[in-house]
Amino acid sequence: DAKTTQPPSMDCAEGRAANLPCNHSTISGNEYVYWYRQIHSQGPQYIIHGLKNNETNEMASLIITEDRKSSTLILPHATLRDTAVYYCIVRVAAGANNLFFGTGTRLTVIP
Amino acid sequence: IAGITQAPTSQILAAGRRMTLRCTQDMRHNAMYWYRQDLGLGLRLIHYSNTAGTTGKGEVPDGYSVSRANTDDFPLTLASAVPSQTSVYFCASSVLAGADTGELFFGEGSRLTVL
Repeated sequence: DAKTTQPPSMDCAEGRAANLPCNHSTISGNEYVYWYRQIHSQGPQYIIHGLKNNETNEMASLIITEDRKSSTLILPHATLRDTAVYYCIVRVAAGANNLFFGTGTRLTVIP
Repeated sequence: IAGITQAPTSQILAAGRRMTLRCTQDMRHNAMYWYRQDLGLGLRLIHYSNTAGTTGKGEVPDGYSVSRANTDDFPLTLASAVPSQTSVYFCASSVLAGADTGELFFGEGSRLTVL
């Protein structure tokens, strides 16, 4: 499985957009980009995933570059409750068991 | 909707003792996983099961065993606990069939301290 690179930490002002980058330069053609987050000591929570098109849901938007070597998770209006560790993962949609979470980006939303 | 239930939520254990962490899901998912999370190391896959009756090793399987007698349950056993197994353990599940989106559903974790 391809690995990902994320900055260890980021700050964002409350109400502003949070843009979390992820590099996945060795991603394969059949691998999706997934984002999860972990709030405090809770279990990780799925946010969004995509293959090559940009995706949006009620939680966030995912922008994937045309060469698929990097992506950005966008939280359009960050709230204090979005403070968490965000993990970017690449994997095939089904069948892959070595899901590498890495250490993620710790996002702190500042009042 | 319960989703994934882990037990116990926390446990202090003497080194050398046997311990089983329980995980039950009510979503009829095919695949189940056990991860451990240690400070600075993120989540690491211990064992997984693609379907009832089958299991596989993840990144850090040594010192752990699993079984998958049925779809719902996926217990993780430490035969003889050591202090390095002090960690937070997360169980997860996924559909792994048909229109699977690849999403993993996680439990709330079991905090284990081995003294």
